[in-house]
Amino acid sequence: AQTVTQSQPEMSVQEAETVTLSCTYDTSESDYYLFWYKQPPSRQMILVIRQEAYKQQNATENRFSVNFQKAAKSFSLKISDSQLGDAAMYFCAYRNSRLRDDKIIFGKGTRLHILP
Amino acid sequence: GAVVSQHPSRVICKSGTSVKIECRSLDFQATTMFWYRQFPKKSLMLMATSNEGSKATYEQGVEKDKFLINHASLTLSTLTVTSAHPEDSSFYICSAPSSVETQYFGPGTRLLVL
Repeated sequence: AQTVTQSQPEMSVQEAETVTLSCTYDTSESDYYLFWYKQPPSRQMILVIRQEAYKQQNATENRFSVNFQKAAKSFSLKISDSQLGDAAMYFCAYRNSRLRDDKIIFGKGTRLHILP
Repeated sequence: GAVVSQHPSRVICKSGTSVKIECRSLDFQATTMFWYRQFPKKSLMLMATSNEGSKATYEQGVEKDKFLINHASLTLSTLTVTSAHPEDSSFYICSAPSSVETQYFGPGTRLLVL
């Protein structure tokens, strides 16, 4: 069975600084998707970034980028120029990619605090 | 973009009553929808997979008779919490995949059982 592990329950970063959230996963599949989701106080789940396992290039979305190490099964999220609006719970997630209807498996989350 | 709605957004009910939560995909069809439960400051726990035209698939430890799921159409799934008790109070979230790459989440339903 696939698992997702986030070892940092909480993190803090100064506004405008850079922070990296860690995530490791375990799977025997070779083809899959990895995600970072943001859950602000409204509790609406927001997709931050997505990485397909077959792509070697790390995904980037504006201030958000990932460091995807497939062999090490590591998938960290880097947030550059942190803003107050980045404060939220961040969940690392995994999904097999063979079927559209495969379920998403979430890590336990990391609560990110932005210090003004 | 694609949207998933949930209704109601919050509900308060008395112990022993049943509560129905709706999950709709507004501009795409979903043969599968997922129901999650989230406790305060915790992660999303998958409860069940709702399948249009067939029975739902429940995760281990989730009571099928307590949490009834009906996937009535390609755009609607419902979760009914039967004979609700205070321990059923939680935040319930649904999601639906619109493609292989993308899954959309509803805004969630906060259930409080008195």
